[in-house]
Amino acid sequence: GAVVSQHPSWVICKSGTSVKIECRSLDFQATTMFWYRQFPKQSLMLMATSNEGSKATYEQGVEKDKFLINHASLTLSTLTVTSAHPEDSSFYICSATPGQGNQETQYFGPGTRLLVL
Amino acid sequence: QKEVEQNSGPLSVPEGAIASLNCTYSDRVSQSFFWYRQYSGKSPELIMSIYSNGDKEDGRFTAQLNKASQYVSLLIRDSQPSDSATYLCAVKPGGTSYGKLTFGQGTILTVHP
Repeated sequence: GAVVSQHPSWVICKSGTSVKIECRSLDFQATTMFWYRQFPKQSLMLMATSNEGSKATYEQGVEKDKFLINHASLTLSTLTVTSAHPEDSSFYICSATPGQGNQETQYFGPGTRLLVL
Repeated sequence: QKEVEQNSGPLSVPEGAIASLNCTYSDRVSQSFFWYRQYSGKSPELIMSIYSNGDKEDGRFTAQLNKASQYVSLLIRDSQPSDSATYLCAVKPGGTSYGKLTFGQGTILTVHP
């Protein structure tokens, strides 16, 4: 149980294009999903928190107009990197949790590796 | 002071030994604590969660929590080369955090044959 998928697993795109990454909870309903970014040899950096049916909450320093998050259903959240540039190349990982209680666990997707040329 | 601190390592132990990983946190009202393992190029996978003071065992893994001292540790018994990975300590802060986790920078563990 508690499986989270991401698609695509990796993507290469040209600078200036937009890339959409999907995150799905396969066997549970995710009231909350999180999006992280991880650069080589660094820890995970939380980008935003999204709750189904409401606007995402972005962490300080994350451009909400560049990283568009949509959480349209209890099993799907999408992250769109708009007008991607080489500095956006990173490992993007989503996680999902069934609830917001203190003992709810975050389950991570396999990640999407983005390379912007 | 970082909210969650871990020794970045690398920590190197021989196969069969006990690996001890430590983590301290600054938010006294934190309620939930998690250990994740991350292999190179992969996303984190949950190893254990702990919520109460004391020890919690699961197979070769034992998590220890001491809220008074604000530290949580992970012991790996009979370490195997396949345990070589980065271990991330994560803390769920108190208050209205909406389930957010705060991660430490991770400890790199190498188990050599």
